[in-house]
Formats: sequence, structure tokens, C-alpha cells
Amino acid sequence: KNEVEQSPQNLTAQEGEFITINCSYSVGISALHWLQQHPGGGIVSLFMLSSGKKKHGRLIATINIQEKHSSLHITASHPRDSAVYICAVRGSNYQLIWGAGTKLIIKP
Amino acid sequence: DGGITQSPKYLFRKEGQNVTLSCEQNLNHDAMYWYRQDPGQGLRLIYYSQIVNDFQKGDIAEGYSVSREKKESFPLTVTSAQKNPTAFYLCASSAETGRAYEQYFGPGTRLTVT
Repeated sequence: KNEVEQSPQNLTAQEGEFITINCSYSVGISALHWLQQHPGGGIVSLFMLSSGKKKHGRLIATINIQEKHSSLHITASHPRDSAVYICAVRGSNYQLIWGAGTKLIIKP
Repeated sequence: DGGITQSPKYLFRKEGQNVTLSCEQNLNHDAMYWYRQDPGQGLRLIYYSQIVNDFQKGDIAEGYSVSREKKESFPLTVTSAQKNPTAFYLCASSAETGRAYEQYFGPGTRLTVT
């Protein structure tokens, strides 16, 4: 079993829909990262959080440390949100443990 | 503007040749990393460096080599010993290891070996 599991693996939705991507992990962590990878390959860090909730524009990330679970939400989704969303956790050392990613397609 | 640059974006090589991928950062970060990404898989750590003149193997270091002679540069050489070198390679840096600092990523280099 992978230490970081993301669901769903693929998600297709219509423009305007509320999107939720989930991340569960099995190790103790000091922080959790959500990143976005565009079709060209470039990766952008969206959030780094260790507790509670963060919001940036239409993106919201939450984490429940007790349940070892995090969610990334996108409100009023748009075709430009189409990308791969990756969850990664930082354990007791410097290294990140990566999820396999969720491929999101938003149709106009 | 601070950031990480990787060049080239696309690289083609013949089997049996060594190839070096460039990674430069002007963020004054101590730590730098090299990851490999294969289709449908998560990122896997190849090598990392916490400080100049020091680097450590990651999970899949076999067939790769690195150097860290300058703080801003962390080139990766894909040697002929790497059995399946065709992949997307990402370089990253962070302000400090051992703490929850964000990683910044370069645009990546897509290497194709035929």
C-alpha cells in the first residue's frame, strides 16, 4: 500500500462544478503539500499546510491530522483548472512522499 | 525574478551516450533535488543536496550522477548505465531541509533516448 493515496485518479467535470480531490496518508507528517502540474510538465506549489484550512482564490485546502486526510477543493471550476493535482507529504526528514496525482479535466 | 531554470526543455540522445541536464536557481536556496517522473506515476527522488559540495542518493540513484560545486547549480548526468532513461526530469530547491519549507520546481526537461 502506498504511503500517500489520492482519489480519484481521474476526474472529468463540467465548467462551474465544485471539485474535491482527496489525499490520505499513513505516515506521521510535518506538512502536506498540494501541487499543480500543467500539461507541459511545469509544477506549481499551491499550498503547504500542517493544520486547518487555507484558501487562495477559488482553491481551498483542508487537512485533518487525526484522520490523516487532506482535501483540495476548487469552486466554480474552469477549463484552465485542467491539470494534474499532486499531494505530497513531508515526514520526519526533509524528503517528500508523493501521491500519484489526480488528473482533472474541466469541460466547457 | 527568482526561480529555477532547467535546460533544455526537450533533449534527445542515442542509447549509450551520457547526457547532462542543467538546473540553476537564483533563490539562494541551500537544498536542491532531482526527481524523475514517468507516465502515470508519482515523482521519484534521484539525488538531493543539502549544501554545496555535498549530495545524497535518493530512491532511484542508480545510473545517475550529480555534482554541487556551486550553491546555484545542481547538474544531473544520466549515464549509459541507466537502463530506462527516457522520462521527464524535474529539478527543485527549498530553503532548508528537515523543515516544512516549500519546494520550488523548475519547468522540467523531457529526455528521450533512442
